Amino acid sequence: GNSVTQMEGPVTLSEEAFLTINCTYTATGYPSLFWYVQYPGEGLQLLLKATKADDKGSNKGFEATYRKETTSFHLEKGSVQVSDSAVYFCAGQGGSEKLVFGKGTKLTVNP
Amino acid sequence: EAGVAQSPRYKIIEKRQSVAFWCNPISGHATLYWYQQILGQGPKLLIQFQNNGVVDDSQLPKDRFSAERLKGVDSTLKIQPAKLEDSAVYLCASSLADRKLFFGSGTQLSVL
Repeated sequence: GNSVTQMEGPVTLSEEAFLTINCTYTATGYPSLFWYVQYPGEGLQLLLKATKADDKGSNKGFEATYRKETTSFHLEKGSVQVSDSAVYFCAGQGGSEKLVFGKGTKLTVNP
Repeated sequence: EAGVAQSPRYKIIEKRQSVAFWCNPISGHATLYWYQQILGQGPKLLIQFQNNGVVDDSQLPKDRFSAERLKGVDSTLKIQPAKLEDSAVYLCASSLADRKLFFGSGTQLSVL
């Protein structure tokens, strides 16, 4: 079955620092890939997605590129803000299969 | 547009007791999901409904967990009897045919 492995946290950064959270996937075929974000006290929200190789998903200054050759979908942001503090989940879904989540990475951004 | 509603927000019970969670999906969303999120792990799908039919319950511990969506709208998830390892956040999500999931805020269950 499909699986997703993401960088374990927690990650602590200062405001305006560069963020990378690594995510790799294992799947038969080419799954759709997602990043979800969970702000404190809230449910998961879709942050961005990519459905095929070389697609770049972007939202709120975050980006991730679907790299078939490295089976990766790393999340990046050039300048993080305190309001980006949350837990970030990488997820994959192949064909008709269920959505599979990584373990999550907690990000704390300090002013 | 109203989001996915879940209740209660928190629940504390003793082991071997029963508990039920309720979910009201976004209006018009035919697909409803229940996920279990144990601390430090990603959400794990327990059961998926399409209208009032079960699509996938392969990871639902059927000896103690049950779920229903009788009228194809809201849903309840029940645990009877609860074990310590059931302590988790139970998330409900819904989607249209495009499978973009919208999540509720979850019910945090503590089993003592």
